[in-house]
This record gives sequence, C-alpha cells and structure tokens, in this order.
Amino acid sequence: EPEVTQTPSHQVTQMGQEVILRCVPISNHLYFYWYRQILGQKVEFLVSFYNNEISEKSEIFDDQFSVERPDGSNFTLKIRSTKLEDSAMYFCASKGGPTGSYEQYFGPGTRLTVT
Amino acid sequence: QKEVEQDPGPLSVPEGAIVSLNCTYSNSAFQYFMWYRQYSRKGPELLMYTYSSGNKEDGRFTAQVDKSSKYISLFIRDSQPSDSATYLCAMSRGSTLGRLYFGRGTQLTVWP
Repeated sequence: EPEVTQTPSHQVTQMGQEVILRCVPISNHLYFYWYRQILGQKVEFLVSFYNNEISEKSEIFDDQFSVERPDGSNFTLKIRSTKLEDSAMYFCASKGGPTGSYEQYFGPGTRLTVT
Repeated sequence: QKEVEQDPGPLSVPEGAIVSLNCTYSNSAFQYFMWYRQYSRKGPELLMYTYSSGNKEDGRFTAQVDKSSKYISLFIRDSQPSDSATYLCAMSRGSTLGRLYFGRGTQLTVWP
C-alpha cells in the first residue's frame, strides 16, 4: 500500500541553525501539506502546496519557513534560524486529486529537537 | 484557537466495551469530518471520513456527525487492546485544498 515517507525520523539541531525536513508523498497525489505537533498539543496546520506553489499558510508559517518541491517526488520544509520553540513533530501529508477525495494521508513524522 | 474541542481523557475501558469518543466544533463552515488514530510518536492514521450529517459504519467503527449540534462522535464496538491509541478528530471547510483542523486527541487504553 502506498505511503508517505519522511526523513530523518529524528533531527537534533542547535538554536540558530537551519534544518531541512524531507518528505516523499504518495505518488500521483497532487496536494501536499506540512503540519506540526508540539508535545502534548494539537496537530497544527502549517502550509499547503499545490501546482508548485503555496496554496494556504497559517500564522505559524512565517518567513522562517519555506517549502519546495525540488523534483517530481520530494517535498521539503526548510526552517531557518531554528528556535527552541520549533521543537516538535513535523508531519507531511498528501492528498489525491481535486475532486472527491478529501482524505489526507500522513507520514510517520520527523521529530525535531532544537537545543 | 478553540475551533475544535476534544476531551483528552485518558479513557480506560475493558476489552469488549463500547467506546464513545466525541468532538465539538464552533465553525459551521466545516463540512468534512475525519477520525485519525495515532500511536505514540507516530503519524496520524486515517480511520474514518464522513461528509455532512449522518452515520458511517466500517467494521467495528461508526462515525456520527450532527451538524445542527456541531458534534461528532466515533463509536468503537467490541474494543480490543490493539485499539489502544490516541484518537484525533479533524475537520475541514471543504475547499479543495482541505486544511485540517484537529482536536487535541483522546487517549484510549483498552485493557484485557
């Protein structure tokens, strides 16, 4: 069964450094998302991406964050100048075509620890 | 933001019990309602997906939506220890892009 994959599973970085989290969405899906979950809190939407551009972003997704689909399979989240409060699980999700399916499938997540 | 409210529990039940999990929401624009299951430090796994009001059944799971009350439920019949996980409700406004709004999740333990 197709699935969303994410690498690395755990990333430790020092405050102020840049990190890139990687995702391979389900092939033939068209819509891509990043969410994050701070320990003990809700899963929060960060950004959605369609047709090679950002479709929607939350108030969390400021200039510190960027997303890219560098090729036909990968989808990345870059966090510049990381802060302690960026420590969280980051989930990538993907969704199929524009009609019918509203079901988002999530990857296993990358646990980001900022020290 | 309190658009989606979900009692975090924890909820502990014996094997075979019927489990009822609930969420309330405030935004009447929500049209699509989902339940995800999440094991510790793993990604959310889609369980059920419903559109608008009504019931949907899938094996031991039944999802219920009452849009007039802004209330959704997930029932698990004949619960098993393997059902032990955190259950997240999620909903979207129904635009094609489909940003999801999640509840906090309810932690469920089913003991043998």
